[in-house]
Amino acid sequence: EAGVAQSPRYKIIEKRQSVAFWCNPISGHATLYWYQQILGQGPKLLIQFQNNGVVDDSQLPKDRFSAERLKGVDSTLKIQPAKLEDSAVYLCASSLTTGLSKTNEQFFGPGTRLTVL
Amino acid sequence: AQSVAQPEDQVNVAEGNPLTVKCTYSVSGNPYLFWYVQYPNRGLQFLLKYITGDNLVKGSYGFEAEFNKSQTSFHLKKPSALVSDSALYFCVVRDNQAGTALIFGKGTTLSVSS
Repeated sequence: EAGVAQSPRYKIIEKRQSVAFWCNPISGHATLYWYQQILGQGPKLLIQFQNNGVVDDSQLPKDRFSAERLKGVDSTLKIQPAKLEDSAVYLCASSLTTGLSKTNEQFFGPGTRLTVL
Repeated sequence: AQSVAQPEDQVNVAEGNPLTVKCTYSVSGNPYLFWYVQYPNRGLQFLLKYITGDNLVKGSYGFEAEFNKSQTSFHLKKPSALVSDSALYFCVVRDNQAGTALIFGKGTTLSVSS
């Protein structure tokens, strides 16, 4: 079974520039998550989608971050404009949920490492 | 609010010796607890989970974890460590307040020496 795909794997930009990350979840997985992992910390949820709807975006800095999952499959996370503190690994995960089941395992992609100079 | 605490930044153990990586949790309602492992340059991998039932949970690669409700702990254990177990380990709790997102501890680096 193919895993969660993410691209690019690495990205270096200057502050105030824009950047976008792409995620393709495991086929059939209804739930998709974006996490931010700052060096030395555990991942922190940014946004959760159920199909093409947002379930939780309470920790997404909406003044600069946006995410979409228009067709309920792949997803894009954008940062505009980037700040130095956005340097982190951005992880995408998916799970096979048809509702808000709390027991399903999340599968993680390899992540995109963003460096903001 | 749900949270997990991993009191050790690093655990060092010799190959062949037993290992324990500690975790305590704070949740409202029933705890859904997980351990994930992160190898260098690789994605997070699921090791095991506790939802309900037997307090001793067995997972991948010979790891197990013991759920202790009175001590609110969920320590990860392995009877005999391998050098290849060296990685970053995260204790995780499911957010019961909104959605089904995971709340991660800060992680514990396990270093197994030969």
